Amino acid sequence: DTGVSQDPRHKITKRGQNVTFRCDPISEHNRLYWYRQTLGQGPEFLTYFQNEAQLEKSRLLSDRFSAERPKGSFSTLEIQRTEQGDSAMYLCASSPRRQGIDIQYFGAGTRLSVL
Amino acid sequence: AQSVSQHNHHVILSEAASLELGCNYSYGGTVNLFWYVQYPGQHLQLLLKYFSGDPLVKGIKGFEAEFIKSKFSFNLRKPSVQWSDTAEYFCAVNDAGTYKYIFGTGTRLKVLA
Repeated sequence: DTGVSQDPRHKITKRGQNVTFRCDPISEHNRLYWYRQTLGQGPEFLTYFQNEAQLEKSRLLSDRFSAERPKGSFSTLEIQRTEQGDSAMYLCASSPRRQGIDIQYFGAGTRLSVL
Repeated sequence: AQSVSQHNHHVILSEAASLELGCNYSYGGTVNLFWYVQYPGQHLQLLLKYFSGDPLVKGIKGFEAEFIKSKFSFNLRKPSVQWSDTAEYFCAVNDAGTYKYIFGTGTRLKVLA
């Protein structure tokens, strides 16, 4: 399978714990995105990387959230001191190096449940 | 701020009925427009896209959408739906100056066999 891969698919944690999610983009895609989707809503943009540089962060990304893409390949999204409101599906997408036109390919997501 | 509105949250149709899902966006500049589909248990998949040119775009599985700039709309259509079209459909807008997508809240379509 050469699609966007996310791990884990499901995560259940207790309030206050830290969690980390991983995303492996499609090979040679230089842009990588994180979105969050809650029930009944569409995906909401969190942040994106071009290679290893984090170029944009949403105001949704509080200081408890941090994302990295250290070698410009896979990315991690960490949530510290989780809260019940963090329960959501976290989606990763990637897009290829193409001037001006951006088609994003999505992974299956990581569903986080904070108890 | 940009926003995308999908006014139909749930749609139920019988097989062979025609489908039109509304999508309106609130940005006056140059935009790219997308429809994504999410089948039960699967990830978001691109259905069709509009960047420029002919405002009537055709996508996979017999879907098409029409970009009407004066109405800020990008409605999705299919002349005859099938049971396998049961899914959630998301409209998205990408400001041509950035890379992030703004999604609508989605329309859940159920097609009765």
